Amino acid sequence: AQKVTQAQTEISVVEKEDVTLDCVYETRDTTYYLFWYKQPPSGELVFLIRRNSFDEQNEISGRYSWNFQKSTSSFNFTITASQVVDSAVYFCALSEAEDSNYQLIWGAGTKLIIKP
Amino acid sequence: ETGVTQTPRHLVMGMTNKKSLKCEQHLGHNAMYWYKQSAKKPLELMFVYNFKEQTENNSVPSRFSPECPNSSHLFLHLHTLQPEDSALYLCASSRQLAGGSSYNEQFFGPGTRLTVL
Repeated sequence: AQKVTQAQTEISVVEKEDVTLDCVYETRDTTYYLFWYKQPPSGELVFLIRRNSFDEQNEISGRYSWNFQKSTSSFNFTITASQVVDSAVYFCALSEAEDSNYQLIWGAGTKLIIKP
Repeated sequence: ETGVTQTPRHLVMGMTNKKSLKCEQHLGHNAMYWYKQSAKKPLELMFVYNFKEQTENNSVPSRFSPECPNSSHLFLHLHTLQPEDSALYLCASSRQLAGGSSYNEQFFGPGTRLTVL
C-alpha cells in the first residue's frame, strides 16, 4: 500500500503567486520522519527539510514554509511569491524509525511549473 | 570535491555491454544507496549499504550488481541490460546511527542518465 500520497501530479502557476504542495502519509509507527526534496531539471535531488513526528511546529525558511498536521497525517509545503527558479519536481518522503534500513518511502512527486 | 559525485553523467550502452557506474561521497556518511528513477514512476530503491554491508536488495535483477569497497565509494556494475533499464540512476548517502534512531536525510548525487539500446 502506498504510504506517501502526493495527489497533485502537476501544478502550474504564474510567478509571484503562492502555491501549496500537498503530502499525505500513512504509518503505524509513533516515531517517524518526514522529508521534502526538490528535483530541478538538472536531475539532482536536493534535500529541503526533515521533520520528526514529535515536532509539530511549522517551519519557515525564507519563501518556503511547511505545515505538519498529525491529526490529518499531512505535511504540506507552501512556496510564497513563487519564482521561475522554483520550477521543479517536489517529492515528499517518509522514514519509519522501526525500519532498520532507514528506507525512505517516496511519494510520486508533484511537478511545479512557474510561468514568468 | 564536496557532496556526492557520480560518474559518468550520461551513458549509452548496448545490451551486450558491461559498464559500471561510480558514486563517491565526501560527507563522512556511513550509508549509501542506489535508486532508479524512470519516467512517470516513483523513485525505486535498489540497494542499501550500511557500514559497507549490503542490507537491502529490493528484488533487483542480477544484471545489476552493486559493490561497496568502503564507506565512501559505491559502484553499480551493469551487464546484459534491457532497454527498459534505461533510466536515471541516483546515488545517495546518509549518516546513520547504529541501532537507533537516525538523522537520515539522504544527500543525492546528480545521477547517471543511462540509455540502453
